[in-house]
Amino acid sequence: DAGITQSPRYKITETGRQVTLMCHQTWSHSYMFWYRQDLGHGLRLIYYSAAADITDKGEVPDGYVVSRSKTENFPLTLESATRSQTSVYFCASSEWTSGLEQYFGPGTRLTVT
Amino acid sequence: ELKVEQNPLFLSMQEGKNYTIYCNYSTTSDRLYWYRQDPGKSLESLFVLLSNGAVKQEGRLMASLDTKARLSTLHITAAVHDLSATYFCAVPTGNQFYFGTGTSLTVIP
Repeated sequence: DAGITQSPRYKITETGRQVTLMCHQTWSHSYMFWYRQDLGHGLRLIYYSAAADITDKGEVPDGYVVSRSKTENFPLTLESATRSQTSVYFCASSEWTSGLEQYFGPGTRLTVT
Repeated sequence: ELKVEQNPLFLSMQEGKNYTIYCNYSTTSDRLYWYRQDPGKSLESLFVLLSNGAVKQEGRLMASLDTKARLSTLHITAAVHDLSATYFCAVPTGNQFYFGTGTSLTVIP
């Protein structure tokens, strides 16, 4: 399917477990982003990537790890999930040629119990 | 850290009325983005403003950017129910994007 997809769409996990959220885009966009959305905070950038093998921290990176071995994939891993990481996670991609307009995935709702 | 403030946070307006949403930001940026989010859905790009004085219009929505005042406005003309959603502005610094907390708009028939 063309576009940007995220999996899983819903996930419930326990405190201390490792969780990986997947993001896949078919446009070959250079830039990819991970955000979390919480009530009262809008969207906050966790990590971003300007190209394969290039990643950088955003506003709230603690507790998260990313990798980008292929242009089209940008997985986000919570190494040891905490309740404060309960949130909706959005992946986005963009390209300089479109002014870095971001295209968002459908989101993953993560609950940490 | 760049601060992005939107106001109002909540807006209830009658169909047919006009209103403006404001987005202020704290540091220099020459670009600004507006997004729409429907309840339980993802974000959809509305406008990309890439320079001072940029103005873009789509249907009943018009966005403008004043980089010197660090202010963007999203003007709604003759609101209709379909415009009910949450609207976010986003400001980049380098490759990092900072979003406002959103304006939740409800258009009442």
